[in-house]
Amino acid sequence: GQNIDQPTEMTATEGAIVQINCTYQTSGFNGLFWYQQHAGEAPTFLSYNVLDGLEEKGRFSSFLSRSKGYSYLLLKELQMKDSASYLCAVGFTGGGNKLTFGTGTQLKVEL
Amino acid sequence: KAGVTQTPRYLIKTRGQQVTLSCSPISGHRSVSWYQQTPGQGLQFLFEYFSETQRNKGNFPGRFSGRQFSNSRSEMNVSTLELGDSALYLCASSFGTTSPYEQYFGPGTRLTVT
Repeated sequence: GQNIDQPTEMTATEGAIVQINCTYQTSGFNGLFWYQQHAGEAPTFLSYNVLDGLEEKGRFSSFLSRSKGYSYLLLKELQMKDSASYLCAVGFTGGGNKLTFGTGTQLKVEL
Repeated sequence: KAGVTQTPRYLIKTRGQQVTLSCSPISGHRSVSWYQQTPGQGLQFLFEYFSETQRNKGNFPGRFSGRQFSNSRSEMNVSTLELGDSALYLCASSFGTTSPYEQYFGPGTRLTVT
């Protein structure tokens, strides 16, 4: 199957840095996305990686290692509003825009 | 630019009934994908339409169907509703010219089956 694995929950302190990991099956890999979803809202796009390396967007960065089937989302200078579910999603060759999602990592930011 | 819109936002149906949900993509986007989100299973892909053709399909029974119109608006239909169909149904749109591509989600339709 095309399992996407990520931790279920994480807790971090306001102002700190947190790294959310995601592992996936490498066969047929064709791109990885990170989405943020606040409770009761739709997922919003954060980042897209298709080549190895780090993509930085303000306080958020995403890293990809295709050979290891591994990605992480790095959130810096955490704010209370960053408390949300973070979804890792992978596209596979031949799948068009079909994304396979992990179950999400619920991040709680505390004072 | 207006975002993805979905109607209705909330729906309550009875087992055995059928339901039709609607999605209007961002202007210029030709791909519309549908996902089901439940607490236990997370986000699961239902199907994708591109230029009025179903391009991909997930592992859902035939009771779940969809279509796309020439203006890229899409509908999904669920027939013979079951209790387990209670979920948030999300549609996502993208340009879809190459795959995969950045997708933008609508607010979803919350379906409750009683």
